[in-house]
Formats: sequence, structure tokens, C-alpha cells
Amino acid sequence: EAQVTQNPRYLITVTGKKLTVTCSQNMNHEYMSWYRQDPGLGLRQIYYSMNVEVTDKGDVPEGYKVSRKEKRNFPLILESPSPNQTSLYFCASSPILGSQPQHFGDGTRLSIL
Amino acid sequence: GENVEQHPSTLSVQEGDSAVIKCTYSDSASNYFPWYKQELGKRPQLIIDIRSNVGEKKDQRIAVTLNKTAKHFSLHITETQPEDSAVYFCAASKTAGNKLTFGGGTRVLVKP
Repeated sequence: EAQVTQNPRYLITVTGKKLTVTCSQNMNHEYMSWYRQDPGLGLRQIYYSMNVEVTDKGDVPEGYKVSRKEKRNFPLILESPSPNQTSLYFCASSPILGSQPQHFGDGTRLSIL
Repeated sequence: GENVEQHPSTLSVQEGDSAVIKCTYSDSASNYFPWYKQELGKRPQLIIDIRSNVGEKKDQRIAVTLNKTAKHFSLHITETQPEDSAVYFCAASKTAGNKLTFGGGTRVLVKP
């Protein structure tokens, strides 16, 4: 089954404790992206990657890091989480050629205390 | 960069009536416009999309229209049903890079 898998689905943690949210897709997609979703603000792009070892900032990259060492994986790293990063996070992937719909993961709800 | 505005932010309709959501975009180079539906607690799911070489596209009770000159596009849901209640997002992107910019979302409530 074609899917985008995020882990963990839920996490409560404390300020300053480094965390990683993993994202994996099994569709051989080149393009992967991270979004955060906050009430009233819709979905905002954090980082995206057009292929292995190619990443770029989205609209709200501050406080986040990503890496793309393998085509299927695109982890989101919060080196020193802060309460304003409490949000619902989605990973998505799509083929790079042409205009193709993005497939979203089930989301990760992060609470930073 | 691209800016997408979506209206209204909330929409309440009676079952069986039509619902219309409108979006405007700023970057004339955008040429791909998907619409996503997000039910409570779930991921956004694509319901319909349109490319800039097409003015209208239909899929059963859902249709999308695009006016490239005015830089706006709209989602039309006819014969609404309670299961259409959800948050709907429009988005825009250029072909290269697939960077999607989303509108702020419209919460649709269909009253039985």
C-alpha cells in the first residue's frame, strides 16, 4: 500500500530536549516536504527536498532542521524545541515531474512544555 | 513568494444546497491548483485539482473553476451532504519543485 508514515504520532516533551520526527514514503517519490498546521493559519511549509541531499527552506524554517540521506526518508529535527513549536506536523511526498498531488502522512501532534 | 487567500473562513449550508469557496493567488507563474479536504483529526486528502491549461474540471458533485487572468479559482460542491462537513484548503504551485502554498482553510458545516 502506497503511504507516507510519520512517527511518533503524538509526543509531549519539554523545552530544549532535542527530538526527531521521522517520515518515510514507499512510493519512490523525489519530492518530500514538512508542514505545520496551526489554528487559523492553515498549512505552512517548513522545509522541502527535491531529491537526495537537496533540501531548501520553506516559509517557516526557523528552529527546524532536516536531512535527506535516502530517497524514502525525510526526518524533521528540532534541536532545541520551544513552546511556540507546539503544533500539528505533516509530512508529504510527490513525484517531481510535472504537477502531481502530494500525499500526506497521518500527522504528528507535538506539545512542547 | 506566492500568497494564497481563501474565503470564507467558515461556511454553513443546509443539506442539499451548494457551497462555494474562493481562492486568489499572487504569482502569475503558478499553474497547479489542488484542493484538499481535511476531516477532524485526519490528514489532508486531495479531492480535486486543476492545471492552468484548463478552465473547469468536474468530478461528480465537485467542480473547480480557474480564472488565470484574474488569478482566482473556486471550489463548488453541489447537493451537499453531512459527510461534506470538513475543512477545505486550496493551494497553488508552479510545476518546478512542487512547492505548495496553502490558503488559510474554510470550515464547512452541512446542517441536516
